[in-house]
Amino acid sequence: AQRVTQPEKLLSVFKGAPVELKCNYSYSGSPELFWYVQYSRQRLQLLLRHISRESIKGFTADLNKGETSFHLKKPFAQEEDSAMYYCALGGTSGSRLTFGEGTQLTVNP
Amino acid sequence: NAGVMQNPRHLVRRRGQEARLRCSPMKGHSHVYWYRQLPEEGLKFMVYLQKENIIDESGMPKERFSAEFPKEGPSILRIQQVVRGDSAAYFCASSPRTQGTNEQFFGPGTRLTVL
Repeated sequence: AQRVTQPEKLLSVFKGAPVELKCNYSYSGSPELFWYVQYSRQRLQLLLRHISRESIKGFTADLNKGETSFHLKKPFAQEEDSAMYYCALGGTSGSRLTFGEGTQLTVNP
Repeated sequence: NAGVMQNPRHLVRRRGQEARLRCSPMKGHSHVYWYRQLPEEGLKFMVYLQKENIIDESGMPKERFSAEFPKEGPSILRIQQVVRGDSAAYFCASSPRTQGTNEQFFGPGTRLTVL
């Protein structure tokens, strides 16, 4: 069974501080992990996927198969980063995504 | 490319009425997924469709819910005899192909309120 856990529902940091949003997954096969972001009243947008190993808006995420984690990190948070972040797991190509419960990030001035 | 379109954006129904939610995938995408987000919860998979076929409906409630993706026109999620517990945001996503990636592109959602 596929499962994604985001242990923090709410995360608050100050501008310029480092931020880490945690994501752990459970999947018996070869996973494909994503981070989606949802700004206030907007649609979900893809932020990162592990297979591309890129940095978007200063965010990075590394897949750690040993710890079954895919934590999202940014060294210096900005106020415009305030949003809801969802970690998602895809299994067999073309199948459903399993989402975590989401973490609401607030970056205070 | 206009992106995934959903309409209506907001839908209010009284208990017992029917709700029809529409989703037009991105141009060139033939795979559609529906997810439901209950208040204070994450997105939960409901159904995965390709043109004229239901591929995976394991997340659909057994009664009152149905989905279709006809050869022509948008995908429809239909909820019959709505109840208050159906109040949620319903998101549609589309993807272009089955091979290589699970990346999905999301619509803005339809917020259903059942009075």
